[in-house]
Amino acid sequence: AQSVTQPDIHITVSEGASLELRCNYSYGATPYLFWYVQSPGQGLQLLLKYFSGDTLVQGIKGFEAEFKRSQSSFNLRKPSVHWSDAAEYFCAVGAHNYGQNFVFGPGTRLSVLP
Amino acid sequence: GAGVSQTPSNKVTEKGKYVELRCDPISGHTALYWYRQSLGQGPEFLIYFQGTGAADDSGLPNDRFFAVRPEGSVSTLKIQRTERGDSAVYLCASAFQGSGANVLTFGAGSRLTVL
Repeated sequence: AQSVTQPDIHITVSEGASLELRCNYSYGATPYLFWYVQSPGQGLQLLLKYFSGDTLVQGIKGFEAEFKRSQSSFNLRKPSVHWSDAAEYFCAVGAHNYGQNFVFGPGTRLSVLP
Repeated sequence: GAGVSQTPSNKVTEKGKYVELRCDPISGHTALYWYRQSLGQGPEFLIYFQGTGAADDSGLPNDRFFAVRPEGSVSTLKIQRTERGDSAVYLCASAFQGSGANVLTFGAGSRLTVL
C-alpha cells in the first residue's frame, strides 16, 4: 500500500521569500502524485499533479513541483510567497489502477509573515 | 452542478444518535470518494464508489459506518450510534473516471460534532 510523509508540520516564511514543502512517498510502482491546498474552513483545492513525462510540473498560483524517483520525493516550490498562500498543504499519492484510493500526507501548515 | 455539494455543512448531534451526510457530486463524475479529516490531520480514506457500487470500502472504521450511492450520483454516508470520536470533517470528492488516474474535486465538507 502507498504512504506519504510530510516531514514539516509547520513552516513560517516571510512574504516574498521562497518556499519549499517536502513530500516523500512509498509506492511499489510509478505513482500519480498530487498537491492540494486547504484554506481555513475550505475544501481541498488541487494545485498540481504528476502523472508521467516531464518531472517538473507547473500548477496554479505560481506553484511548481518536481518528481524525483531516486529520492521518492515530490517537493512543492514557489519562488516568492504571498500572504494569501497561508494555508494547509497536503501531498497525496494515487495508485495506478481503477480500484484506487488516494492517500494523503499529514499536511504542512504554512504561515506567512508580513 | 458546478462543484461538489455537501450537506449539511455543520451537524451537531448527541452521542448514540444516527447521522446522515449527503454528497452531490459533479454531474457526469462516475467516481465518488468519502474521506474523514480530524483536526490537524490529513484526510483519511473511507470509501470509494465507481458508479453505484462500492469498489473499495476498506477505510470504513467499523460497521457503524455505511455509505450508499443508489443511482450512481448522490451519495449518503450514514453513521449509526455516533461516538465522540466520530467528530471530524467528512469530505466528499468526485472524479471523472477516464483512463489513468482520477483527479479528485472536493466539496467543502460536513463538520460533525458529537457531544
